Amino acid sequence: EVQLVESGGGLIQPGESLRLACAVSGFSVTTNYMTWVRQAPGKGLEWVSVIYKNGYSQYVDSVKGRFTISRDNSKNTVNLEMNNLRAEDTAVYFCARDIVGPNYYYTSLGMDVWGQGTAVTVSS
Amino acid sequence: DVVMTQSPLSLPVTLGQPASISCRSSQSLVYSDGNTYLNWFQQRPGQSPRRLIYKVSNRDSGVPDRFSGSGSGTDFTLKISRVEAEDVGVYYCMQGSQWPPTFGRGTKVEIK
Repeated sequence: EVQLVESGGGLIQPGESLRLACAVSGFSVTTNYMTWVRQAPGKGLEWVSVIYKNGYSQYVDSVKGRFTISRDNSKNTVNLEMNNLRAEDTAVYFCARDIVGPNYYYTSLGMDVWGQGTAVTVSS
Repeated sequence: DVVMTQSPLSLPVTLGQPASISCRSSQSLVYSDGNTYLNWFQQRPGQSPRRLIYKVSNRDSGVPDRFSGSGSGTDFTLKISRVEAEDVGVYYCMQGSQWPPTFGRGTKVEIK
């Protein structure tokens, strides 16, 4: 069964760090593009980061330099290391499988499998 | 960044009646390979998003055929031919043609 399970969320103070994990079953993270999407309370969806099959990664400008996406091939997990957290990073973070077009540059057909999300609250 | 503008933001619908959601992009979503990477998602209350439609008009497996997507260039539409109770939720368009991928603000579909 294809399943994504996120963990690691919680309440954290501004400036601190947090590491989210996404445990994947039913397919391999090494042969798929994996994405993190977040949703602030009562708001819409915001794409955050992607890790390519070859390990290359990209980020939305608002998290660049603070967030790092990675994967553990042996555990079939995708991680999101979040540093120097800000109040505006407060959101539910979803891990998802991204279906990418057959082009040199990233094009997306959207995310076809999603986890249940993990909530991150940044507040003093 | 490409701005995705959805309308309406709220859509009260009578059961069994049709519903239509518009999504307009600030730039053309036609990619150099000829494809248009415009996708639609449904988020039911308390649930994770679910992809309904990819590349404008391709329905995902298991999505009822009352859902259809159409459009081209910068102007796209998601239609529900006859709204059912299970269709209540927020619908998002998302473009994957230009970097970075961006979502619309969402359209909340509710039953009158």
